[in-house]
Amino acid sequence: NAGVMQNPRHLVRRRGQEARLRCSPMKGHSHVYWYRQLPEEGLKFMVYLQKENIIDESGMPKERFSAEFPKEGPSILRIQQVVRGDSAAYFCASSPTGGGDYEQYFGPGTRLTVT
Amino acid sequence: GNSVTQMEGPVTLSEEAFLTINCTYTATGYPSLFWYVQYPGEGLQLLLKATKADDKGSNKGFEATYRKETTSFHLEKGSVQVSDSAVYFCALGGSARQLTFGSGTQLTVLP
Repeated sequence: NAGVMQNPRHLVRRRGQEARLRCSPMKGHSHVYWYRQLPEEGLKFMVYLQKENIIDESGMPKERFSAEFPKEGPSILRIQQVVRGDSAAYFCASSPTGGGDYEQYFGPGTRLTVT
Repeated sequence: GNSVTQMEGPVTLSEEAFLTINCTYTATGYPSLFWYVQYPGEGLQLLLKATKADDKGSNKGFEATYRKETTSFHLEKGSVQVSDSAVYFCALGGSARQLTFGSGTQLTVLP
């Protein structure tokens, strides 16, 4: 059973460009979470999605960031007009059932560098 | 709101030493508690978990006991190995949709 897959693993963007990060959850998992890890810090929740629905986006910046989880295909985290402060590792996690009582399975992350 | 306070690092130990990484939490209700481990350049892996008071989670020689009276979930291992070198994160779940993480503790084990 393949784990959570994320691509690309490393992404370099110039300031002002767009970044698209993809996440394919584990087979059978319909709940996806995105977290951001700034250097030397813990993970901070960004957004929680189910298929075709955003359930909780309380941790996501109001501007430039968006997320989707379509009926078909991976979940996408999109960052428009990237700035240097967006440089971080972005982790996706999935679970078979929603809510914090259930363990989440993490992907290897996408390390975004904004130059 | 929910929060997790984790022992500051970095922690450096010799092989076969005893390990304790402290973790305390603030939460409403009865959250589930987790320890995750992150090896260099990789994502987080679940190490162990406990879902109710007095539960003990254990895996690969690591243990942590859910202490409701002290709101703690300290990670322990009796004899660490070089391969245990990693960053360890305490996390809290429960009624919130997401996990709330501590800031992480870097552990280095020297041969």
